[in-house]
Amino acid sequence: DTGVSQDPRHKITKRGQNVTFRCDPISEHNRLYWYRQTLGQGPEFLTYFQNEAQLEKSRLLSNRFSAERPKGSFSTLEIQRTEQGDSAMYLCASSSRVTGNTIYFGEGSWLTVV
Amino acid sequence: DQQVKQNSPSLSVQEGRISILNCDYTNSMFDYFLWYKKYPAEGPTFLISISSIKDKNEDGRFTVFLNKSAKHLSLHIVPSQPGDSAVYFCAAFLYGNKLVFGAGTILRVKS
Repeated sequence: DTGVSQDPRHKITKRGQNVTFRCDPISEHNRLYWYRQTLGQGPEFLTYFQNEAQLEKSRLLSNRFSAERPKGSFSTLEIQRTEQGDSAMYLCASSSRVTGNTIYFGEGSWLTVV
Repeated sequence: DQQVKQNSPSLSVQEGRISILNCDYTNSMFDYFLWYKKYPAEGPTFLISISSIKDKNEDGRFTVFLNKSAKHLSLHIVPSQPGDSAVYFCAAFLYGNKLVFGAGTILRVKS
């Protein structure tokens, strides 16, 4: 399977702890996106990378959140000092010039902050 | 400020009949629209898309219609199957880098 891969799929953490999610995009996709989804809502854009460059960040991405894509391949999303309001599904997606405006999502990483 | 709206939280349809899911948007700068299907605890799966220069796109049982003057699009599924039961999200591309999603419509297809 060469789809978007996310790890871990589920994470339960105590408030105040740091968590990190990893995303491996579809091979040769140079564009990578992070979204967040809470119950009853559609996914909300967090950030976008083209290759290793982070080109756009949402205002939703507070200074406790940081995303990296060091070599233009996999990406990590770190949340520091987690709060209960961070509980959500974190979705990674990727695309390329070939796929155009169609982006393909991974299975998501569920975060529960207790 | 919800730029993409799916006003029907849920829809129930009999197997074999047509399902019509609706979506309205407010930003005339949106130039590309997509529909995604999502099962619980999974990521959204791409279904079908349409460029703003078209008014219809068809792929098998799925057809998307775009009415730019009304800022409205719809997804038709015919015939509906029980496996189509899921949450359907309408999404629009803004400036090519960011997808803006609606809140979703839960479709239940009854057999």
